[in-house]
Amino acid sequence: DSGVTQTPKHLITATGQRVTLRCSPRSGDLSVYWYQQSLDQGLQFLIHYYNGEERAKGNILERFSAQQFPDLHSELNLSSLELGDSALYFCASSVAAGEIYEQYFGPGTRLTVT
Amino acid sequence: AQTVTQSQPEMSVQEAETVTLSCTYDTSESDYYLFWYKQPPSRQMILVIRQEAYKQQNATENRFSVNFQKAAKSFSLKISDSQLGDAAMYFCAYRSGSSGTYKYIFGTGTRLKVLA
Repeated sequence: DSGVTQTPKHLITATGQRVTLRCSPRSGDLSVYWYQQSLDQGLQFLIHYYNGEERAKGNILERFSAQQFPDLHSELNLSSLELGDSALYFCASSVAAGEIYEQYFGPGTRLTVT
Repeated sequence: AQTVTQSQPEMSVQEAETVTLSCTYDTSESDYYLFWYKQPPSRQMILVIRQEAYKQQNATENRFSVNFQKAAKSFSLKISDSQLGDAAMYFCAYRSGSSGTYKYIFGTGTRLKVLA
């Protein structure tokens, strides 16, 4: 158990819908990262937040957005869902941003778009 | 832009033997970090080992070691005395060391099978 929690574990929804994925980082961690892993693919970095502020953006679609709240939990919002958005979405946390602290990954949320 | 390439989609190794997984990367930066992550069937991502580019000494963690060749932009993972529990997907990852650029870039992975 990494100490990072993600809810829900599984999500099944229809095309065109909107969903919110939630991540609670380890206690004391200020950085949160979001990744997308499509079937049998590597991880695609989506976005990084540090202490409530966006710090880096990867290949995140405009239909996707994220935020980190004052209590440091983070949410990833996916809207106008398409079949291709079906994937495993990981959240990871680390103590800080600049230094190379280890990322601790959550168990992931499996999103299925039908 | 930085890229990470894992050219071996799948590898097999006999239990107790040694296997090396390959990773090459491309970057124009001099300061960066490299990682190997393991993803077992549970899908949990687990850090195996990391290497700071400014360190010449290859990182080692128990049975896991790397061969870091900075000039060749190569970062291979050697697993010694392979165990059944080592069977997993292994991902190589890169992160810039430049301030303000904290995104990680992952390779497509190598599936390691361990044969009893």
